[in-house]
Amino acid sequence: EIVMTQSPATLSVSPGERATLSCRASQSVSSNLAWYQQRPGQAPRLLIYGASTRATGVPARFSGSGSGTEFTLTISSLQSEDFAVYYCQQYNNWPPWTFGQGTKVEIK
Amino acid sequence: QVQLVESGGGVVQPGGSLRLSCAASGITLSNYDMHWVRQAPGRGLEWVTFTRSDEIKKYYADSVKGRFIISKDNSKNTLNLQMNSLRTEDSAVYYCAKQFPFGGAFDIWGQGTIVIVSS
Repeated sequence: EIVMTQSPATLSVSPGERATLSCRASQSVSSNLAWYQQRPGQAPRLLIYGASTRATGVPARFSGSGSGTEFTLTISSLQSEDFAVYYCQQYNNWPPWTFGQGTKVEIK
Repeated sequence: QVQLVESGGGVVQPGGSLRLSCAASGITLSNYDMHWVRQAPGRGLEWVTFTRSDEIKKYYADSVKGRFIISKDNSKNTLNLQMNSLRTEDSAVYYCAKQFPFGGAFDIWGQGTIVIVSS
């Protein structure tokens, strides 16, 4: 089973600032990596797939990069609606499909 | 507009059973690979089970293997999850999710249904 590790657990950022979230896989997942956003009380929403492709309707301030075992989600200028929990997920080796434990982006 | 709506959650005693459903609109579920994912209170996302579009391949997390069964009802365009021998650790919000064709990320999620296993 591939273990996904996200860091940091919590990120405190001021509105308008840049946020950088990290995700590491225990073995290579190529570019088969997705990022999801989950706002309080809501279902997860797909943001990024293929490590760097934005899903339909996702603002350009969200960008993903990386391949193999190291991945990054960057939010270039945080808006109020971006304060949420973000999960990475690998879909390269399955089953199981595995998620990271999440990074909470909170208002500083 | 594609939408998934879960139902069937509730409170059940340990050892009991529950059947969750996920009704689809805007898509025909028989054409897509589908998953159930759960989230325990205050915890992260945990993949539970998968069915291929044609239901020939099904996979389960070790934590639910032998107790949960995933299935589709094509006449009703729904995805189902039969949960048996429930344990307190099965308490969670259960989401159904559609997978991109040909492997890939989970692009559409339902709003979730809450399952509480408690005596």
